[in-house]
Amino acid sequence: NAGVTQTPKFQVLKTGQSMTLQCAQDMNHEYMSWYRQDPGMGLRLIHYSVGAGITDQGEVPNGYNVSRSTTEDFPLRLLSAAPSQTSVYFCASSYSLGGGLFFGEGSRLTVL
Amino acid sequence: AQKITQTQPGMFVQEKEAVTLDCTYDTSDPSYGLFWYKQPSSGEMIFLIYQGSYDQQNATEGRYSLNFQKARKSANLVISASQLGDSAMYFCAMREGSGGYQKVTFGTGTKLQVIP
Repeated sequence: NAGVTQTPKFQVLKTGQSMTLQCAQDMNHEYMSWYRQDPGMGLRLIHYSVGAGITDQGEVPNGYNVSRSTTEDFPLRLLSAAPSQTSVYFCASSYSLGGGLFFGEGSRLTVL
Repeated sequence: AQKITQTQPGMFVQEKEAVTLDCTYDTSDPSYGLFWYKQPSSGEMIFLIYQGSYDQQNATEGRYSLNFQKARKSANLVISASQLGDSAMYFCAMREGSGGYQKVTFGTGTKLQVIP
């Protein structure tokens, strides 16, 4: 009963490095999204997808890329990491019409 | 403008008492959904309750109920008979949009501490 799986759980990067946060779900959900959580700011939407091949920007998309080639996977790419991207990242999924979001366990990223 | 507003950064409640966590929202979409999530200190996000904009009755899930006042655009969470394990961050969220392009946005959260 995997649900939403995020990897890695922890990562330390140097400024300018690139990396990909992986997200996979096995519930056949159409809707997938990435959030970042910073102290005092709640969860802010980075990018989201309503199905394979369809993505759109959320509130804070700069510095991040996404793609959705399959229903199951929704990776988040940091092209050139900056200290401002130090955060906890959550991937979430749901059926597109109604219902709650299912969250992964989160990925803590530190950019030095 | 903020889509979801939670005006209480922190709240205290005595064990076994009821507590209301406030949430107001802003949308022009007639079809939307409202959620509450709990985030304990361990960090996971736990879904608590959901209210659709067309639902006639307030949603309830065990000790959780959602006080939905559509005209006032508020969706307050009521926790009855608080327990020590209820100490956590609580987030209100809204799903809006139609035609498949639905976004879910979150408020900044309320930290609830239950006092023995």
